[in-house]
Amino acid sequence: NAGVTQTPKFQVLKTGQSMTLQCAQDMNHNSMYWYRQDPGMGLRLIYYSASEGTTDKGEVPNGYNVSRLNKREFSLRLESAAPSQTSVYFCASSEVRGSGNTIYFGEGSWLTVV
Amino acid sequence: DQQVKQNSPSLSVQEGRISILNCDYTNSMFDYFLWYKKYPAEGPTFLISISSIKDKNEDGRFTVFLNKSAKHLSLHIVPSQPGDSAVYFCAAVSSGSARQLTFGSGTQLTVLP
Repeated sequence: NAGVTQTPKFQVLKTGQSMTLQCAQDMNHNSMYWYRQDPGMGLRLIYYSASEGTTDKGEVPNGYNVSRLNKREFSLRLESAAPSQTSVYFCASSEVRGSGNTIYFGEGSWLTVV
Repeated sequence: DQQVKQNSPSLSVQEGRISILNCDYTNSMFDYFLWYKKYPAEGPTFLISISSIKDKNEDGRFTVFLNKSAKHLSLHIVPSQPGDSAVYFCAAVSSGSARQLTFGSGTQLTVLP
Protein backbone atom coordinates (compact mmCIF):
# COMPACT_ATOMS: atom_id res chain seq x y z
CA ASN A 1 0.00 0.00 0.00
CA ALA A 2 1.94 3.02 -1.25
CA GLY A 3 -0.77 5.60 -0.46
CA VAL A 4 0.61 9.02 -1.37
CA THR A 5 4.10 9.06 -2.84
CA GLN A 6 6.03 12.25 -3.43
CA THR A 7 9.46 12.85 -4.93
CA PRO A 8 12.10 13.99 -4.40
CA LYS A 9 12.43 13.67 -0.64
CA PHE A 10 15.28 16.18 -0.42
CA GLN A 11 16.37 18.91 -2.81
CA VAL A 12 18.71 21.87 -2.67
CA LEU A 13 18.14 24.60 -5.24
CA LYS A 14 19.90 27.81 -6.09
CA THR A 15 17.86 30.98 -6.20
CA GLY A 16 16.23 31.31 -9.61
CA GLN A 17 16.34 27.63 -10.48
CA SER A 18 13.17 25.75 -11.31
CA MET A 19 11.98 22.36 -10.19
CA THR A 20 8.91 20.16 -10.02
CA LEU A 21 7.72 18.14 -7.05
CA GLN A 22 5.91 15.03 -8.14
CA CYS A 23 3.03 13.40 -6.30
CA ALA A 24 1.02 10.27 -7.02
CA GLN A 25 -1.72 8.49 -5.09
CA ASP A 26 -3.02 4.99 -5.61
CA MET A 27 -6.26 5.27 -3.62
CA ASN A 28 -8.43 6.49 -6.50
CA HIS A 29 -9.06 9.75 -4.64
CA ASN A 30 -10.69 12.65 -6.41
CA SER A 31 -9.07 15.50 -4.49
CA MET A 32 -5.38 16.26 -4.14
CA TYR A 33 -3.52 19.00 -2.28
CA TRP A 34 -0.13 20.61 -1.84
CA TYR A 35 0.76 22.05 1.57
CA ARG A 36 3.89 23.64 2.95
CA GLN A 37 4.98 23.42 6.56
CA ASP A 38 7.10 26.13 8.14
CA PRO A 39 8.22 26.48 11.76
CA GLY A 40 5.52 28.06 13.90
CA MET A 41 3.08 28.18 10.98
CA GLY A 42 1.51 24.76 10.77
CA LEU A 43 0.54 23.48 7.33
CA ARG A 44 -0.64 26.01 4.77
CA LEU A 45 -2.47 25.10 1.58
CA ILE A 46 -0.69 26.11 -1.62
CA TYR A 47 -2.97 24.66 -4.30
CA TYR A 48 -5.59 21.99 -4.51
CA SER A 49 -7.38 19.99 -7.15
CA ALA A 50 -10.93 19.00 -6.33
CA SER A 51 -11.08 16.62 -9.26
CA GLU A 52 -9.17 15.67 -12.38
CA GLY A 53 -8.89 18.64 -14.69
CA THR A 54 -9.44 21.33 -12.05
CA THR A 55 -7.02 23.27 -9.87
CA ASP A 56 -7.55 26.13 -7.44
CA LYS A 57 -5.40 28.43 -5.36
CA GLY A 58 -5.07 27.91 -1.67
CA GLU A 59 -3.77 30.22 1.03
CA VAL A 60 -0.21 30.73 -0.29
CA PRO A 61 -0.11 30.14 -4.08
CA ASN A 62 2.35 32.86 -5.13
CA GLY A 63 5.48 31.49 -6.78
CA TYR A 64 3.96 28.10 -7.54
CA ASN A 65 2.12 26.38 -10.35
CA VAL A 66 0.40 23.02 -10.37
CA SER A 67 -0.72 20.42 -12.86
CA ARG A 68 -3.28 17.71 -12.29
CA LEU A 69 -1.88 15.35 -14.90
CA ASN A 70 -4.50 12.66 -14.36
CA LYS A 71 -6.50 11.33 -11.44
CA ARG A 72 -3.39 9.84 -9.81
CA GLU A 73 -0.84 12.61 -10.24
CA PHE A 74 -0.60 16.20 -9.03
CA SER A 75 2.67 18.09 -9.50
CA LEU A 76 3.90 21.33 -7.95
CA ARG A 77 6.30 23.53 -9.89
CA LEU A 78 8.56 26.30 -8.68
CA GLU A 79 9.44 28.35 -11.76
CA SER A 80 12.06 30.59 -10.12
CA ALA A 81 12.90 29.41 -6.64
CA ALA A 82 13.38 31.94 -3.84
CA PRO A 83 14.85 31.46 -0.34
CA SER A 84 11.35 32.11 1.07
CA GLN A 85 10.28 28.84 -0.54
CA THR A 86 12.59 26.85 1.70
CA SER A 87 10.12 24.58 3.45
CA VAL A 88 8.78 21.07 3.85
CA TYR A 89 6.17 20.28 1.22
CA PHE A 90 3.41 17.74 1.71
CA CYS A 91 1.17 16.30 -0.94
CA ALA A 92 -2.16 14.88 0.21
CA SER A 93 -5.27 13.31 -1.21
CA SER A 94 -8.81 12.70 -0.10
CA GLU A 95 -11.82 10.93 -1.43
CA VAL A 96 -13.99 14.00 -1.07
CA ARG A 97 -12.83 17.62 -1.06
CA GLY A 98 -12.47 18.92 2.46
CA SER A 99 -13.13 15.56 4.01
CA GLY A 100 -10.56 15.92 6.74
CA ASN A 101 -10.81 12.49 8.26
CA THR A 102 -10.02 10.74 5.00
CA ILE A 103 -7.12 12.93 3.96
CA TYR A 104 -3.84 11.09 3.53
CA PHE A 105 -0.47 12.78 3.43
CA GLY A 106 2.76 11.84 1.75
CA GLU A 107 5.98 11.69 3.72
CA GLY A 108 7.12 15.18 2.75
CA SER A 109 9.74 16.80 0.55
CA TRP A 110 12.44 18.92 2.17
CA LEU A 111 13.37 21.82 -0.11
CA THR A 112 16.19 24.26 0.58
CA VAL A 113 16.72 27.29 -1.64
CA VAL A 114 20.13 28.94 -1.24
CA ASP B 1 -3.73 36.31 11.39
CA GLN B 2 -3.92 32.66 12.37
CA GLN B 3 -7.49 31.40 12.63
CA VAL B 4 -6.44 28.23 14.45
CA LYS B 5 -3.99 28.68 17.31
CA GLN B 6 -2.03 26.24 19.37
CA ASN B 7 -0.35 28.43 21.94
CA SER B 8 1.83 25.75 23.50
CA PRO B 9 4.70 24.76 21.19
CA SER B 10 5.67 21.90 23.48
CA LEU B 11 4.37 19.75 26.31
CA SER B 12 6.10 17.11 28.44
CA VAL B 13 4.14 14.48 30.37
CA GLN B 14 5.08 11.46 32.42
CA GLU B 15 4.12 8.06 31.03
CA GLY B 16 0.75 6.93 32.37
CA ARG B 17 -0.46 10.45 33.09
CA ILE B 18 -2.93 12.52 31.11
CA SER B 19 -1.79 14.70 28.20
CA ILE B 20 -3.98 17.71 27.40
CA LEU B 21 -3.34 19.57 24.17
CA ASN B 22 -5.23 22.79 23.56
CA CYS B 23 -6.42 24.63 20.48
CA ASP B 24 -8.29 27.93 20.03
CA TYR B 25 -9.99 29.22 16.92
CA THR B 26 -11.41 32.53 15.82
CA ASN B 27 -13.57 31.71 12.79
CA SER B 28 -17.21 31.11 13.72
CA MET B 29 -17.75 29.39 10.38
CA PHE B 30 -15.66 26.39 11.40
CA ASP B 31 -17.98 23.43 11.82
CA TYR B 32 -15.66 20.42 11.91
CA PHE B 33 -12.44 19.95 13.85
CA LEU B 34 -9.68 17.40 13.59
CA TRP B 35 -6.47 16.38 15.27
CA TYR B 36 -3.51 15.05 13.31
CA LYS B 37 -0.40 13.39 14.66
CA LYS B 38 2.98 13.73 13.00
CA TYR B 39 6.16 11.79 13.60
CA PRO B 40 9.52 13.11 12.33
CA ALA B 41 10.13 12.52 8.61
CA GLU B 42 6.56 11.35 8.11
CA GLY B 43 3.38 13.02 6.90
CA PRO B 44 0.58 13.89 9.33
CA THR B 45 -1.94 11.14 10.05
CA PHE B 46 -5.54 11.62 11.10
CA LEU B 47 -6.20 10.93 14.78
CA ILE B 48 -9.69 12.01 15.79
CA SER B 49 -12.36 14.52 14.81
CA ILE B 50 -15.45 16.22 16.15
CA SER B 51 -18.41 17.93 14.56
CA SER B 52 -19.58 21.28 15.90
CA ILE B 53 -22.90 19.73 16.90
CA LYS B 54 -21.12 17.64 19.52
CA ASP B 55 -19.09 18.56 22.55
CA LYS B 56 -17.16 15.32 22.99
CA ASN B 57 -15.84 12.48 20.91
CA GLU B 58 -13.93 9.52 22.28
CA ASP B 59 -11.79 6.91 20.57
CA GLY B 60 -9.88 4.62 22.87
CA ARG B 61 -7.29 6.62 24.78
CA PHE B 62 -8.07 9.77 22.81
CA THR B 63 -10.90 12.18 23.59
CA VAL B 64 -11.58 15.51 21.96
CA PHE B 65 -13.65 18.15 23.73
CA LEU B 66 -15.24 21.12 21.99
CA ASN B 67 -16.39 24.30 23.74
CA LYS B 68 -18.06 26.35 21.02
CA SER B 69 -18.87 29.34 23.20
CA ALA B 70 -15.19 29.66 24.10
CA LYS B 71 -14.04 28.66 20.58
CA HIS B 72 -11.76 26.12 22.22
CA LEU B 73 -11.04 22.45 21.74
CA SER B 74 -8.74 20.09 23.53
CA LEU B 75 -7.31 16.64 22.99
CA HIS B 76 -6.93 14.37 26.01
CA ILE B 77 -4.70 11.31 25.88
CA VAL B 78 -5.11 8.91 28.79
CA PRO B 79 -2.92 7.15 29.69
CA SER B 80 -0.04 8.71 27.80
CA GLN B 81 2.54 6.36 26.29
CA PRO B 82 6.06 7.04 24.98
CA GLY B 83 4.84 6.17 21.47
CA ASP B 84 2.49 9.16 21.68
CA SER B 85 5.50 11.48 21.47
CA ALA B 86 4.90 13.42 18.27
CA VAL B 87 3.73 16.78 16.96
CA TYR B 88 -0.03 17.22 17.21
CA PHE B 89 -1.82 19.54 14.82
CA CYS B 90 -5.28 20.91 15.38
CA ALA B 91 -7.23 21.61 12.17
CA ALA B 92 -10.62 23.05 11.31
CA VAL B 93 -12.97 22.99 8.33
CA SER B 94 -15.30 25.87 7.59
CA SER B 95 -18.83 25.54 6.33
CA GLY B 96 -19.33 26.61 2.75
CA SER B 97 -18.17 25.45 -0.62
CA ALA B 98 -14.42 25.37 -0.12
CA ARG B 99 -14.25 23.25 3.01
CA GLN B 100 -10.48 23.38 3.20
CA LEU B 101 -8.48 22.46 6.27
CA THR B 102 -6.92 25.26 8.31
CA PHE B 103 -4.13 24.01 10.56
CA GLY B 104 -2.71 25.24 13.82
CA SER B 105 1.04 25.52 14.31
CA GLY B 106 1.35 22.26 16.23
CA THR B 107 2.34 21.14 19.72
CA GLN B 108 5.30 18.82 20.31
CA LEU B 109 4.26 16.25 22.90
CA THR B 110 6.99 14.35 24.71
CA VAL B 111 5.96 11.46 26.94
CA LEU B 112 8.71 10.61 29.39
CA PRO B 113 9.20 6.97 30.45
